[in-house]
Amino acid sequence: QQPVQSPQAVILREGEDAVINCSSSKALYSVHWYRQKHGEAPVFLMILLKGGEQKGHEKISASFNEKKQQSSLYLTASQLSYSGTYFCGTIPSNTGKLIFGQGTTLQVKP
Amino acid sequence: DAMVIQNPRYQVTQFGKPVTLSCSQTLNHNVMYWYQQKSSQAPKLLFHYYDKDFNNEADTPDNFQSRRPNTSFCFLDIRSPGLGDAAMYLCATSRGLAGDPHEQYFGPGTRLTVT
Repeated sequence: QQPVQSPQAVILREGEDAVINCSSSKALYSVHWYRQKHGEAPVFLMILLKGGEQKGHEKISASFNEKKQQSSLYLTASQLSYSGTYFCGTIPSNTGKLIFGQGTTLQVKP
Repeated sequence: DAMVIQNPRYQVTQFGKPVTLSCSQTLNHNVMYWYQQKSSQAPKLLFHYYDKDFNNEADTPDNFQSRRPNTSFCFLDIRSPGLGDAAMYLCATSRGLAGDPHEQYFGPGTRLTVT
């Protein structure tokens, strides 16, 4: 039931873009995105509740394709502060419980 | 301005010696969660409380127990810690569950070492 994230790791230069994908084998009620820096707690980025919904947060945005049971996180013009591990969390329609993907480690270099 | 507070931040215990981790919140959220996170892995839900209703995950070992004496506090008790229980333990809160999903606010975590 754990959603699958890809890629597992990304290395970028400042200013470059990245896309992190999250897919589930179960029908989804919502998708959450969190970022966790080493040794710190996960920090909430955004929730997508409806199929086709897109949200933005500064230069970080996300989309949710409910039919395909997928979500993507878009990071544009990356900054050093974007470094960390990104987790998607999915709530399958019938459970109400957040299940985290395995994480994607993003490293932004100067 | 701390919203979800966990104490202690670092805990060392001996194999088999009971340990209690604590979590408090100032958000007045009705849901509190305990997650276990091992190195380079995703947080894994152990259990959660919706108000006073306790919900245990099917694969949470019996060695792990929880108490929520009031809205603000929640405790994680590990009755007989094994070496495999060494991990970061994260407490989180949210305003609701399935029909009304909200973001979860995480505390800073307690890193448990078992010697």
